[in-house]
Amino acid sequence: KQEVTQIPAALSVPEGENLVLNCSFTDSAIYNLQWFRQDPGKGLTSLLLIQSSQREQTSGRLNASLDKSSGRSTLYIAASQPGDSATYLCAVLTVSKTSYDKVIFGPGTSLSVIP
Amino acid sequence: DAGITQSPRHKVTETGTPVTLRCHQTENHRYMYWYRQDPGHGLRLIHYSYGVKDTDKGEVSDGYSVSRSKTEDFLLTLESATSSQTSVYFCAISRGLPGLAGGRHDTGELFFGEGSRLTVL
Repeated sequence: KQEVTQIPAALSVPEGENLVLNCSFTDSAIYNLQWFRQDPGKGLTSLLLIQSSQREQTSGRLNASLDKSSGRSTLYIAASQPGDSATYLCAVLTVSKTSYDKVIFGPGTSLSVIP
Repeated sequence: DAGITQSPRHKVTETGTPVTLRCHQTENHRYMYWYRQDPGHGLRLIHYSYGVKDTDKGEVSDGYSVSRSKTEDFLLTLESATSSQTSVYFCAISRGLPGLAGGRHDTGELFFGEGSRLTVL
């Protein structure tokens, strides 16, 4: 059974700092891994999607990497800003042998960027 | 932003009453999903649809039913609401799924609506 964890659960950093969020998964049979951000009271916004054949994806100040064999992904945020404060979730689309291909979400990392 | 609209955005109801949440998409995506998000449990799949009139259960489907009569609309119904169904409900869509059943451009990327906050008293 696929399990997804995210470390740390919460993170507070001063503005301008570079930071790394971690996502781990137990079953390497995945189609993709997706990173989201969620602002309080809002839906999830897709940030980056890495397909299983890819190693990384970049969008602006964000860079996500995927190491499928070790079951790890990192989201790197450069030059953090107060507007980056949100909860960041990772999700893996897992290949299923018995039922539907399932998206499993991590619990999220709550990020606060202090001005 | 993906064109996903959920209604109502907020609802307060009493135990035992029926409730229907609506998800409307303008993307013509094949797959639609209903999730609930609760503290300590994260996001859990309730039901999903892989086409018009084609639906299936997720991991927490008890007490919920769904219908999809048109590509753009996916309805979630609580036949008799209970306090345990107090939650934030999210609709999500994806164009397709990778793998043998998917097309060349089907990455399985998920897009979410803004959520519907339901309180059952």
